Amino acid sequence: AQSVAQPEDQVNVAEGNPLTVKCTYSVSGNPYLFWYVQYPNRGLQFLLKYITGDNLVKGSYGFEAEFNKSQTSFHLKKPSALVSDSALYFCAVRDVSGGSYIPTFGRGTSLIVHP
Amino acid sequence: DTEVTQTPKHLVMGMTNKKSLKCEQHMGHRAMYWYKQKAKKPPELMFVYSYEKLSINESVPSRFSPECPNSSLLNLHLHALQPEDSALYLCASSASGSSYNEQFFGPGTRLTVL
Repeated sequence: AQSVAQPEDQVNVAEGNPLTVKCTYSVSGNPYLFWYVQYPNRGLQFLLKYITGDNLVKGSYGFEAEFNKSQTSFHLKKPSALVSDSALYFCAVRDVSGGSYIPTFGRGTSLIVHP
Repeated sequence: DTEVTQTPKHLVMGMTNKKSLKCEQHMGHRAMYWYKQKAKKPPELMFVYSYEKLSINESVPSRFSPECPNSSLLNLHLHALQPEDSALYLCASSASGSSYNEQFFGPGTRLTVL
């Protein structure tokens, strides 16, 4: 079985400050991990993924995420937030050994960046 | 072309109507998905087509009927819907059914059932 948790419904950060959106996962084997962003009235947009290799993954729009196997986490980070980063962020996981290629999505975290 | 398109953008229908949602991608992707999304919630998987064959049906009511006419097109036929079916319907595609492929989502169709 695979599951993912996003413990915060909402994250507030001031423009220019670093941001972190948290994600923890649970899988039987090894995980494939994804972050997606959804702007209002739009579909989800892929940001980055961890498959294997370097634990620090860089993605679109200056976002990055760090895979931490011991803490089963994959937190999304950005050094300096922009107001335009305000959106709904979803973490997703697939179990490498689970046989299913269907991702499980977290409940989403609303990021609000204040000017 | 790295885009998934969906038509229409908005749809209002009565409970006795029949309508269809359309999704198209020209990225050569061989897996296509339909999701239902309520406001501020994660997308819920409805159907998956892999190599134009229905591979997953997540116990969706029969008033939703998917169709994959070819590798680029995905339709969702709607009939006798209920007001609780009002939602954003998202189409997505991925290169294949492999676990490591990310999904590309369309902008969605906002469906309102009266």
